Amino acid sequence: AQTVTQSQPEMSVQEAETVTLSCTYDTSESDYYLFWYKQPPSRQMILVIRQEAYKQQNATENRFSVNFQKAAKSFSLKISDSQLGDAAMYFCAYRSGGGGADGLTFGKGTHLIIQP
Amino acid sequence: NAGVTQTPKFRVLKTGQSMTLLCAQDMNHEYMYWYRQDPGMGLRLIHYSVGEGTTAKGEVPDGYNVSRLKKQNFLLGLESAAPSQTSVYFCASRGYRDRDHNEQFFGPGTRLTVL
Repeated sequence: AQTVTQSQPEMSVQEAETVTLSCTYDTSESDYYLFWYKQPPSRQMILVIRQEAYKQQNATENRFSVNFQKAAKSFSLKISDSQLGDAAMYFCAYRSGGGGADGLTFGKGTHLIIQP
Repeated sequence: NAGVTQTPKFRVLKTGQSMTLLCAQDMNHEYMYWYRQDPGMGLRLIHYSVGEGTTAKGEVPDGYNVSRLKKQNFLLGLESAAPSQTSVYFCASRGYRDRDHNEQFFGPGTRLTVL
């Protein structure tokens, strides 16, 4: 079974600065997908960014980018120019590839605090 | 287009009572999922469905049953609720034709308390 580990229960950053959230995973598969989800106090799960394991290029979505290190099984999220609205729980998630209906395996999350 | 909706949003049960959570999606998605989220934890998969009339167990299926009689609906049942089932429950769906995008769409969650 796959596991996802987020080693930072809480992170704090000043508004407008950059923060990096860590995620490592364990799998024996070569085809898989990785995700970062944001969960604000409203508890709605919002997809931030996704990465296909077969793609070497790191995914980027506006101020959000990932550092995907496949050999090291590491998938960190970088948030640039942090904004107050970025404050939330962030979850790293894994899904097997192969076109099946597998669900997501989540880490325990990182609580991100934005200091004004 | 409402996306994924869940009914109810909140519920309080007494130990031993039964209830059903309803999930509905209007995106014509084939795959549907039920997760639970406990404090300090990420979401964990309870059951999932690959299509109408089919269901499968996830990581934490004990104490729950599910049914998918219609493609757009996925029901989660608790036959005899226990305090350990106090949690926030999320439903999600994903389209087979969306496999290249791989996004699961989540409902707003149901907060369930079992006394």
